[in-house]
Amino acid sequence: TQLLEQSPQFLSIQEGENLTVYCNSSSVFSSLQWYRQEPGEGPVLLVTVVTGGEVKKLKRLTFQFGDARKDSSLHITAAQPGDTGLYLCAGDYGGSQGNLIFGKGTKLSVKP
Amino acid sequence: DTGVSQDPRHKITKRGQNVTFRCDPISEHNRLYWYRQTLGQGPEFLTYFQNEAQLEKSRLLSDRFSAERPKGSFSTLEIQRTEQGDSAMYLCASSLTGTSVEQYFGPGTRLTVT
Repeated sequence: TQLLEQSPQFLSIQEGENLTVYCNSSSVFSSLQWYRQEPGEGPVLLVTVVTGGEVKKLKRLTFQFGDARKDSSLHITAAQPGDTGLYLCAGDYGGSQGNLIFGKGTKLSVKP
Repeated sequence: DTGVSQDPRHKITKRGQNVTFRCDPISEHNRLYWYRQTLGQGPEFLTYFQNEAQLEKSRLLSDRFSAERPKGSFSTLEIQRTEQGDSAMYLCASSLTGTSVEQYFGPGTRLTVT
């Protein structure tokens, strides 16, 4: 059974601070996605990473895929209250034909 | 709006009743997925369709659950004889074959079984 572990589970910071959240597995991903979810809504796709060592940037968000494709990180620079939400990573292990395995998420709260 | 839509957004039902949810995917997407999400957890895969064919079902999908996608467009998820443990957010997602890892989610249907 593939498992995706995310850390930390909760994070509360002040506006302007930087933060990093992590996603780890003992299995190799074919690809990994990061989503952001707000209460009562569905997850919104932020990024897909495919190549080991890949780095992608989305405004103040930087996503990194580990060289061995077993882990990923999301770094937010100068967090803003609008970044508040649940950040989910989801892995595709290749043999699943597309159904994603999700972590439990990191619940981020950015206070003004 | 050309995103994934789900109906209803909220459903409250009594234990033992049947409920049906609908999902309309992004129009050009041929793959459609159903997930379930409970409080404090990430979404868990239930089943998926490629066009009208149901290709994979999770062991989470008990005999009380059935999903259809009769014309390869919208899909329905029915839960028979609901139980309190069925209370969850039911999420639908769609994708294109070949980029199937990039799944786009609808807003979900929140089911509460009393």
